[in-house]
Amino acid sequence: DTAVSQTPKYLVTQMGNDKSIKCEQNLGHDTMYWYKQDSKKFLKIMFSYNNKELIINETVPNRFSPKSPDKAHLNLHINSLELGDSAVYFCASSQTTMTSTDTQYFGPGTRLTVL
Amino acid sequence: DQQVKQNSPSLSVQEGRISILNCDYTNSMFDYFLWYKKYPAEGPTFLISISSIKDKNEDGRFTVFLNKSAKHLSLHIVPSQPGDSAVYFCAASAAGYSSASKIIFGSGTRLSIRP
Repeated sequence: DTAVSQTPKYLVTQMGNDKSIKCEQNLGHDTMYWYKQDSKKFLKIMFSYNNKELIINETVPNRFSPKSPDKAHLNLHINSLELGDSAVYFCASSQTTMTSTDTQYFGPGTRLTVL
Repeated sequence: DQQVKQNSPSLSVQEGRISILNCDYTNSMFDYFLWYKKYPAEGPTFLISISSIKDKNEDGRFTVFLNKSAKHLSLHIVPSQPGDSAVYFCAASAAGYSSASKIIFGSGTRLSIRP
């Protein structure tokens, strides 16, 4: 009965490959997010979708393309992987209440290693 | 440009004593502050929050204090228990995003509770 799940948990791949990370939430939330935790341990938001609509799009290379088939899923596809993409990627979800007080619930993270 | 700063990367406290984790922010538009706790190989989990209209919020052993004039908040854990050993992230958000809450995270403080 995991609330926010991500697959895979670990991903090791070669530079230049294309890979996807999947995220699903069963909390009935209408907003989902992708965060990147870099080597300095900062959690930085990348994207946010509300009811399948892109709401937040931080300065992220075009090689990153989120896709939300429905409001319970937000997948992250990465093209032409680079060494600097190595990080832990966290998915999160929240129920939007039109304020800034929405608590976000995080998945367990996907550790991506690009060789 | 680190809008949320946690200047202590680590903290060691004896079991039973008080743990105090500090956080500073630079953006005066932030109106909601959160603390997340993270265990290894897991995603961050929400711990406690405070609105900018308050200066204190208490939940069991956890109390968050907000000093708006100093742009400083702190998390007090008393008494500290072994299960409190984790990384604690301070985070802040501002109203203005109509359908998603953009949370800015600090870099985290690793709290170790020693017997």
